[in-house]
Amino acid sequence: DAGVTQSPTHLIKTRGQQVTLRCSPKSGHDTVSWYQQALGQGPQFIFQYYEEEERQRGNFPDRFSGHQFPNYSSELNVNALLLGDSALYLCASSLGTGTAFFGQGTRLTVV
Amino acid sequence: QKEVEQDPGPLSVPEGAIVSLNCTYSNSAFQYFMWYRQYSRKGPELLMYTYSSGNKEDGRFTAQVDKSSKYISLFIRDSQPSDSATYLCAMSDYGNNRLAFGKGNQVVVIP
Repeated sequence: DAGVTQSPTHLIKTRGQQVTLRCSPKSGHDTVSWYQQALGQGPQFIFQYYEEEERQRGNFPDRFSGHQFPNYSSELNVNALLLGDSALYLCASSLGTGTAFFGQGTRLTVV
Repeated sequence: QKEVEQDPGPLSVPEGAIVSLNCTYSNSAFQYFMWYRQYSRKGPELLMYTYSSGNKEDGRFTAQVDKSSKYISLFIRDSQPSDSATYLCAMSDYGNNRLAFGKGNQVVVIP
């Protein structure tokens, strides 16, 4: 079992650009959530996808959008990047109610 | 008031000591309580998972949940240098996989 995989591992972007991050959930998991973790902080919930629909959303602007594919994999898109978007972006997968398993994250640096 | 409070102060202990970590929370709907371990620049790894109140033990790790006080704890016995990491508490309510995290405690076990 490969667990939750994310790509890329690192990314450097310029302010104003757009970025797409990818996640493959743990085998058998149908729910994918995205979190943003700033340095020295706990992860903050961005949104969650289930059955290809956004089911819940945290307090993040519309510049953050996502998608879930029929195979349960997911993408996180961020438009008009700001310096403050620099963070570790984490994908978590789960099945029903219960524990979430995280990937290694994508470290995004906006310059 | 934040949903989850975790005193983020670093903790240094000698090898073999007991590490005690705790979190408080304000949302009485939380039913699922987790502790994650996060090594530097990696994704969080699920360490302990507890449903509702009570204690759970797994090897050197013990998780306690006191819902009446809205207080959870993690104890690490016979701490090892390999336990040096950031420990994050997380919780969610029934039917909701959105996790609310504390800020995390950086633990250093000194050989």
